[in-house]
Amino acid sequence: GAGVSQSPSNKVTEKGKDVELRCDPISGHTALYWYRQRLGQGLEFLIYFQGNSAPDKSGLPSDRFSAERTGESVSTLTIQRTQQEDSAVYLCASSLEAGLGGNEQFFGPGTRLTVL
Amino acid sequence: QKEVEQDPGPLSVPEGAIVSLNCTYSNSAFQYFMWYRQYSRKGPELLMYTYSSGNKEDGRFTAQVDKSSKYISLFIRDSQPSDSATYLCAMTLAGNNRKLIWGLGTSLAVNP
Repeated sequence: GAGVSQSPSNKVTEKGKDVELRCDPISGHTALYWYRQRLGQGLEFLIYFQGNSAPDKSGLPSDRFSAERTGESVSTLTIQRTQQEDSAVYLCASSLEAGLGGNEQFFGPGTRLTVL
Repeated sequence: QKEVEQDPGPLSVPEGAIVSLNCTYSNSAFQYFMWYRQYSRKGPELLMYTYSSGNKEDGRFTAQVDKSSKYISLFIRDSQPSDSATYLCAMTLAGNNRKLIWGLGTSLAVNP
């Protein structure tokens, strides 16, 4: 596809359930990022993948959050035992290569997660 | 104190006005400064980026960085209703663009 795609676009779940969010980066982009955007707040870095290197998980807020990426393609963000404070828009971005200052990150439309 | 401070607004201006959006930051090591625009229910898109201090112009948009004051600005000339969006500043250290540090974003409405 032409851009970063994410699915689902909206997800409503009950507290305590697990959810999986999917991101398809732009083909050829080696770097992939997950962010969380809560209402009225800025983007919060969650995790970053670069090629076959070990991911930078330093932004994950708790061990309920995990993410995987298959090679340089699809990534899934999993939230286990969801809590109401997990409600947010989860944004995925990809870029050609990390480590170059100012390298543009291309964002998907996000998944709006609501935990009841 | 947050690393990046940005007034969330909202800011409302008439069409044709000059808009000034600003961010301040605390980490003097930041080297790359970016402005992203985010329309409602869309992901952010990069508008402009600058390295270190100075100005950069692109059409109706001008980005300024003043590292001595730890202050960055985005100016929009001849603002249009289509400029109505949230504008987020972001910055990062040299050689480490993995973690962009973001402002809260300023909501802008340009009224016809």
